[in-house]
Amino acid sequence: DTEVTQTPKHLVMGMTNKKSLKCEQHMGHRAMYWYKQKAKKPPELMFVYSYEKLSINESVPSRFSPECPNSSLLNLHLHALQPEDSALYLCASSRPGAGSNQPQHFGDGTRLSIL
Amino acid sequence: GIQVEQSPPDLILQEGANSTLRCNFSDSVNNLQWFHQNPWGQLINLFYIPSGTKQNGRLSATTVATERYSLLYISSSQTTDSGVYFCAVGGYMRFGAGTRLTVKP
Repeated sequence: DTEVTQTPKHLVMGMTNKKSLKCEQHMGHRAMYWYKQKAKKPPELMFVYSYEKLSINESVPSRFSPECPNSSLLNLHLHALQPEDSALYLCASSRPGAGSNQPQHFGDGTRLSIL
Repeated sequence: GIQVEQSPPDLILQEGANSTLRCNFSDSVNNLQWFHQNPWGQLINLFYIPSGTKQNGRLSATTVATERYSLLYISSSQTTDSGVYFCAVGGYMRFGAGTRLTVKP
């Protein structure tokens, strides 16, 4: 689903660094999602934004800080991450009504490595 | 929360063979999608199929919502079909553990 664009594709950072992941869609979707996928595991939901407001936080540690500055853009700010946070981070979007019966469209992900 | 089980966990096929992947879920859902994750990690949307039957080329899917299962059929498999197939259900996409498919030439 290349209609959802994620940058960067790869990111290597130290445990003391601050970085951000970016996700952008121009399909007019008003629900956006962050998922985390560890190696050989399925994606797991982290955050849900509906109409630019955070509606779900799946007990994610505060070193992950999401932000939705407008209806097309979703950021994930990273700070003081741990080696176990190394994973593929996937962004998705769907039509209005987060949690409803609308299909989700996924970006290609950012592969994050923590040194 | 809703439970999603996929079977088989692993599947090895010769090129040209057919296969059926299964997804069982524990509660009624209004959203079900099948995805293919290729070796580069890209999650490709195959079907949005909360009920009924759909076909797209060599792939087809059927969801029987009243019996809480969905099937993905792959016919005449090709090496490019290799990867992990995920079923995901519910408004917030709870994923099954996946079926890892290897198609050998």
